[in-house]
Amino acid sequence: AQSVTQLDSQVPVFEEAPVELRCNYSSSVSVYLFWYVQYPNQGLQLLLKYLSGSTLVKGINGFEAEFNKSQTSFHLRKPSVHISDTAEYFCAVTVNTGGFKTIFGAGTRLFVKA
Amino acid sequence: NAGVTQTPKFRVLKTGQSMTLLCAQDMNHEYMYWYRQDPGMGLRLIHYSVGEGTTAKGEVPDGYNVSRLKKQNFLLGLESAAPSQTSVYFCATGTGSRNNYGYTFGSGTRLTVV
Repeated sequence: AQSVTQLDSQVPVFEEAPVELRCNYSSSVSVYLFWYVQYPNQGLQLLLKYLSGSTLVKGINGFEAEFNKSQTSFHLRKPSVHISDTAEYFCAVTVNTGGFKTIFGAGTRLFVKA
Repeated sequence: NAGVTQTPKFRVLKTGQSMTLLCAQDMNHEYMYWYRQDPGMGLRLIHYSVGEGTTAKGEVPDGYNVSRLKKQNFLLGLESAAPSQTSVYFCATGTGSRNNYGYTFGSGTRLTVV
């Protein structure tokens, strides 16, 4: 069965420090990978996606993620965070199991401190 | 361009009451989804639709019904609300030949059942 694991439920970090939010998935078939961001009291917004090609993908707000097929990971990174990056981040995987199905991780709450 | 609009934004129901949540999209997307979001559990798929006139069950369909009579609207019904249905409900739309372009989410409906 497919699953998505976000390894940290909360990540506190100081402003201007780098951050990495970790995501691992399990799937025996090809996948499409996504990161979404959810600001307080809002819906989720697509941050970036990996469909094929270059394993390093860049998204909005200075975020990037790297697809590692051998480690089945898709970690999200930002070299220098801002207070405004405080939000919940969700990793998601779309797989083809006789129909395309998307599975979301449980989320990682990023808290940026001044 | 409104994107995905959910109504209402907030609702309090008494146990046993019924209600309908409306999701409307103006992006001409084929796929539409209803998710519920509960603390620490990420997003769980309730029902989905791959096109006008079609619906299918997701991960947690019990206690909910849906209809998609028009392409732009996806309705979620609770026939007899229970406290376990207290949650934040999100509608999402998807597109792409393999539904792999990522989702667009509404801003959510916060439902409390007392």
